[in-house]
Amino acid sequence: DTEVTQTPKHLVMGMTNKKSLKCEQHMGHRAMYWYKQKAKKPPELMFVYSYEKLSINESVPSRFSPECPNSSLLNLHLHALQPEDSALYLCASSPLEGGGTEAFFGQGTRLTVV
Amino acid sequence: AQKITQTQPGMFVQEKEAVTLDCTYDTSDPSYGLFWYKQPSSGEMIFLIYQGSYDQQNATEGRYSLNFQKARKSANLVISASQLGDSAMYFCAMREDSGGSEKLVFGKGTKLTVNP
Repeated sequence: DTEVTQTPKHLVMGMTNKKSLKCEQHMGHRAMYWYKQKAKKPPELMFVYSYEKLSINESVPSRFSPECPNSSLLNLHLHALQPEDSALYLCASSPLEGGGTEAFFGQGTRLTVV
Repeated sequence: AQKITQTQPGMFVQEKEAVTLDCTYDTSDPSYGLFWYKQPSSGEMIFLIYQGSYDQQNATEGRYSLNFQKARKSANLVISASQLGDSAMYFCAMREDSGGSEKLVFGKGTKLTVNP
């Protein structure tokens, strides 16, 4: 079982809805990430929270907003999404120890915007 | 900016045979790390193997090995004795440090199908 927990696993929402994706890790990792993955494409980084600082991919629209309540949680708030935002959203964490410390991924949230 | 290239959109292999998935990279950093991830249809990204730029030996993890050719900037994944459960997308990735934060940059992936 993955040690990065994402909820919900599936989400269908309308374009006027507000919803949140949740990501939690209890490994004491110092960095957490949100990636967006369209079908048959590689994951693309949306946000990074590391060393208590949030870094944003400038191409991500403002209808996506991250929130980091504490070092174990990184939520993604969704508002007024478009159908093209339908994708797999992957959360990951990393200890940031350099070398071969890999990023650990959650199982993802499959989002459909109708 | 760093770049990862996977030139094989799809690969087929017979069960119990070995297969090589290609990955080339481009970076000007002397220190870098290369990762391979497996993504089954369920969606989770599963870490397979890591190679550091200063590692003297090619990385191995069970049936997975990495054919690292630094001068050619290639880091090919070799899967020995393929199993039906190996059918999945495989992504090569490089760790990139930018703006004080680390992130993974992924190649486009290779879809591996293992035939019985």
